[in-house]
Amino acid sequence: QQQVKQSPQSLIVQKGGISIINCAYENTAFDYFPWYQQFPGKGPALLIAIRPDVSEKKEGRFTISFNKSAKQFSLHIMDSQPGDSATYFCAATIGGGYQKVTFGIGTKLQVIP
Amino acid sequence: GAVVSQHPSWVICKSGTSVKIECRSLDFQATTMFWYRQFPKQSLMLMATSNEGSKATYEQGVEKDKFLINHASLTLSTLTVTSAHPEDSSFYICSAKEGAAEAFFGQGTRLTVV
Repeated sequence: QQQVKQSPQSLIVQKGGISIINCAYENTAFDYFPWYQQFPGKGPALLIAIRPDVSEKKEGRFTISFNKSAKQFSLHIMDSQPGDSATYFCAATIGGGYQKVTFGIGTKLQVIP
Repeated sequence: GAVVSQHPSWVICKSGTSVKIECRSLDFQATTMFWYRQFPKQSLMLMATSNEGSKATYEQGVEKDKFLINHASLTLSTLTVTSAHPEDSSFYICSAKEGAAEAFFGQGTRLTVV
């Protein structure tokens, strides 16, 4: 049972373009939604996170949009760069913190010059 | 951010042997540690949660006798894969947190059982 559904599983974007990754969840008990970036052979690193009382959060080129009523959230990477090429995981936790992170399946992003 | 170090980064072992993976928090006290397993092109699946000085809580379907977790200090947790078999080959990742703070991930350990 996949509690956090993520799409697409792979994405190719031209340099300078916008990368968009979408996630959806069913469990309304989730109350914290982090995104992680993982490079090959490395552990995931926290990129940006949002709470459901906020509809949008922006940090540099990375923006999370959150739709609580639809139980959907998405990551937008503006001005995508080759260095952004990595696997991105959306996730969800209960309790507002980082207990028992439930991950999406991941999106492998490739930014081509 | 805080640093979580895993050792070894990769290990090859023979089928039937046991292998131990260490997870250390280098600059904070890890009151809680998590162990995940990640198969190729798949997501991270939580295996177990451990609080310092307590027995680990295993997720459904994870064999506690096969994956032994010890969290004996505030800076070290170990995962021992006992009687390893080829199907145990995977990428094992730990994460650690202090209290209610953010959890930080280690760099992972690639286990190959031959």
